[in-house]
Amino acid sequence: GQNIDQPTEMTATEGAIVQINCTYQTSGFNGLFWYQQHAGEAPTFLSYNVLDGLEEKGRFSSFLSRSKGYSYLLLKELQMKDSASYLCAVSRAAGNKLTFGGGTRVLVKP
Amino acid sequence: DGGITQSPKYLFRKEGQNVTLSCEQNLNHDAMYWYRQDPGQGLRLIYYSQIVNDFQKGDIAEGYSVSREKKESFPLTVTSAQKNPTAFYLCASSVRQGRSYNEQFFGPGTRLTVL
Repeated sequence: GQNIDQPTEMTATEGAIVQINCTYQTSGFNGLFWYQQHAGEAPTFLSYNVLDGLEEKGRFSSFLSRSKGYSYLLLKELQMKDSASYLCAVSRAAGNKLTFGGGTRVLVKP
Repeated sequence: DGGITQSPKYLFRKEGQNVTLSCEQNLNHDAMYWYRQDPGQGLRLIYYSQIVNDFQKGDIAEGYSVSREKKESFPLTVTSAQKNPTAFYLCASSVRQGRSYNEQFFGPGTRLTVL
């Protein structure tokens, strides 16, 4: 079966850094995605990792360790608009199916 | 503009009625997906289709049905057999490239409320 865990909620201050962890247990691993979702809106793609290591994209970075079944999303220089839910999703090899974690709601305070 | 459209944004139905949610994409994507999201939770896969006239059940297909008669369209019917149909429904699509990664693009969603 598939099991993906991430914290429910995190709070951080504008300008700070926040790290959102995601642990997973799955068969047929074919990569890990991070999506951002503002309340009532569709998820938007942030990053993808298939090999171990760090992928950096502007203020956002994502890390993967396949042997540990672990990923994190790092958000730097937080802005108020970063207040949203962040979804970790594992791609299963067959059919490009995604299994999502429950999402981490990040609240950025002034 | 290329993208995925879902309509309507809000939908209300009486208990016991079937309802069909539309999903159209003009991205020329082969694969399409339907997810359900409940408050404060992640997305769960209902059905997916990798090619026209073919589709597979996802993790929570009971009480739902789909069709894929055209590449651009993947409508989802929520039947009266679905016990808890009130939810936010999201449609997505992606390019199909074998085992390569393919980002899924999401539509704006339809919030279905069954009264």
